[in-house]
Amino acid sequence: AQSVAQPEDQVNVAEGNPLTVKCTYSVSGNPYLFWYVQYPNRGLQFLLKYITGDNLVKGSYGFEAEFNKSQTSFHLKKPSALVSDSALYFCAVRPPTDSWGKLQFGAGTQVVVTP
Amino acid sequence: DAGVIQSPRHEVTEMGQEVTLRCKPISGHDYLFWYRQTMMRGLELLIYFNNNVPIDDSGMPEDRFSAKMPNASFSTLKIQPSEPRDSAVYFCASSLAPNSPLHFGNGTRLTVT
Repeated sequence: AQSVAQPEDQVNVAEGNPLTVKCTYSVSGNPYLFWYVQYPNRGLQFLLKYITGDNLVKGSYGFEAEFNKSQTSFHLKKPSALVSDSALYFCAVRPPTDSWGKLQFGAGTQVVVTP
Repeated sequence: DAGVIQSPRHEVTEMGQEVTLRCKPISGHDYLFWYRQTMMRGLELLIYFNNNVPIDDSGMPEDRFSAKMPNASFSTLKIQPSEPRDSAVYFCASSLAPNSPLHFGNGTRLTVT
């Protein structure tokens, strides 16, 4: 069975500092991995995805993520956080055997960026 | 493109009443998903459709829940009868293909008293 874990409920970072949001997964085969962000009272918005190829994936709003197969991780990163990055972040995984696109979401990590 | 449109944004109802949530996916998207979000359980996939056909409804909690997609531009999620534990934010999402990003609506916040 597939699963995805976000070990931190909340991440606090000062504006201008690097931001990292952790995600680990468990799935058979090579996974498809995604990051989404949710602002208050809004639906989730897609940030980036890893399907195959380069392990470093660049996405929207200056975010990037690194796929690490040996550590089964897909951490989200941003070199310099903004106050506007404060939101709830979700990692999601889909096994390659699921041709219908069913995603498994993590529990979410609340990011708080202070001025 | 207007994105995924859900209605209503808020719904407050009494226990035992029927509730119908509505969704209009992005035109051309072949996949439609219904999710429920609560503090306790996070995001749960309830059901999803491909080309208007339900593919997996294993996440539907009980027989009180039903979903339909009569055409490519409209889907409903119905709860009958509603219970207080159904209180949550319900999201509809659509996507173009299996590996394409999901596009979420802004959700319907359901409160059952």
